[in-house]
Amino acid sequence: DQQVKQNSPSLSVQEGRISILNCDYTNSMFDYFLWYKKYPAEGPTFLISISSIKDKNEDGRFTVFLNKSAKHLSLHIVPSQPGDSAVYFCAATRYNQGGKLIFGQGTELSVKP
Amino acid sequence: TAGITQAPTSQILAAGRSMTLRCTQDMRHNAMYWYRQDLGLGLRLIHYSNTAGTTGKGEVPDGYSVSRANTDDFPLTLASAVPSQTSVYFCASSPGTGLYGYTFGSGTRLTVV
Repeated sequence: DQQVKQNSPSLSVQEGRISILNCDYTNSMFDYFLWYKKYPAEGPTFLISISSIKDKNEDGRFTVFLNKSAKHLSLHIVPSQPGDSAVYFCAATRYNQGGKLIFGQGTELSVKP
Repeated sequence: TAGITQAPTSQILAAGRSMTLRCTQDMRHNAMYWYRQDLGLGLRLIHYSNTAGTTGKGEVPDGYSVSRANTDDFPLTLASAVPSQTSVYFCASSPGTGLYGYTFGSGTRLTVV
């Protein structure tokens, strides 16, 4: 039972354009969501997060949107750069689960020059 | 550089043999985690430890055991490896069991033949 789903295994975008990565979840009790970025042969690194009391969080070129009624979040990267090419994982957790993260399957983003 | 050290980087293991994957952190984080990454399945939690002396089971604990004798170390043991345990294993830590992000190690690529 996949509680966090990233239905697009891959995404290709032209440099300078917007990248939109999507994530759906099934557990309405999740109250904190995170995005991680992973390069080959490295561990995932934290990118941006959002609490369930917000619907948007922005950090430079990265913005995460949360739609609680649809149980959907998305990561927008504007403008996309070749160095953004990586696998992106979304993750969710509940405070009373001791902070254990449930991850999606990942989306591989390729930004072409 | 502060962070998480995992060893070995990669290993080929004969089925039926045992092996311990090592994980050490120098951030004095209370919580530590073991995940496995498999194509199409994302990152799945194997075992976790909220604090030294305690451990718990994650989503896919069968065939694995852990111990947490001190704050810094969180080894993962495969008692009798099987081919389905071929994966990339990531150790992670967080300051506590609240709504924190994780710091990940660089991973151990294990092939069971």
